[in-house]
Amino acid sequence: LAKTTQPISMDSYEGQEVNITCSHNNIATNDYITWYQQFPSQGPRFIIQGYKTKVTNEVASLFIPADRKSSTLSLPRVSLSDTAVYYCLVGDSSGNTPLVFGKGTRLSVIA
Amino acid sequence: DSGVTQTPKHLITATGQRVTLRCSPRSGDLSVYWYQQSLDQGLQFLIQYYNGEERAKGNILERFSAQQFPDLHSELNLSSLELGDSALYFCASSGGVIGLTGDTEAFFGQGTRLTVV
Repeated sequence: LAKTTQPISMDSYEGQEVNITCSHNNIATNDYITWYQQFPSQGPRFIIQGYKTKVTNEVASLFIPADRKSSTLSLPRVSLSDTAVYYCLVGDSSGNTPLVFGKGTRLSVIA
Repeated sequence: DSGVTQTPKHLITATGQRVTLRCSPRSGDLSVYWYQQSLDQGLQFLIQYYNGEERAKGNILERFSAQQFPDLHSELNLSSLELGDSALYFCASSGGVIGLTGDTEAFFGQGTRLTVV
């Protein structure tokens, strides 16, 4: 199970682009990267998933360099409602990796 | 609304007691996951079931047990409760086994807030 490391917290002003980087140095060939968002007292919600290069959806972009040892979640023009904890997970395509969350990054968006 | 239903939403009980938390997964989902989240703590993975069978186990205490029934709903039983068991307990479900069956995400319920006094 690849270990992930993320900053504990980040602050940003409204309207800014926020980039949260996750380090996963021992990621395996078949592993993919997934990000979840959790608001206080709510269950986490899937944001985005990728294997390599760049993935974009209506909520965020995920950048994965060629060596795949890190990934960056990019949130464009954040608003106060983006204040949440963001989790980076690494899982393998064999399905043998339990859905394990680390401590995540607490993002605070300031007006 | 994720489609995952957890009951009850709130539960207050005394130390030493036993409680049962219930989870109804999204229609058709075969995998159920249980998590514990204490105040200011991350999500602790407890256990995963797939189609009635235990598939993965995390840091689940011996005082805790779970099962998934033929109709795919799941129950988490917590016994000999201690003050430290006070937490939010989340259930999540996915169609199959994430990564293996093409499923990419798990859907979480709103949680059961357990307070042990």
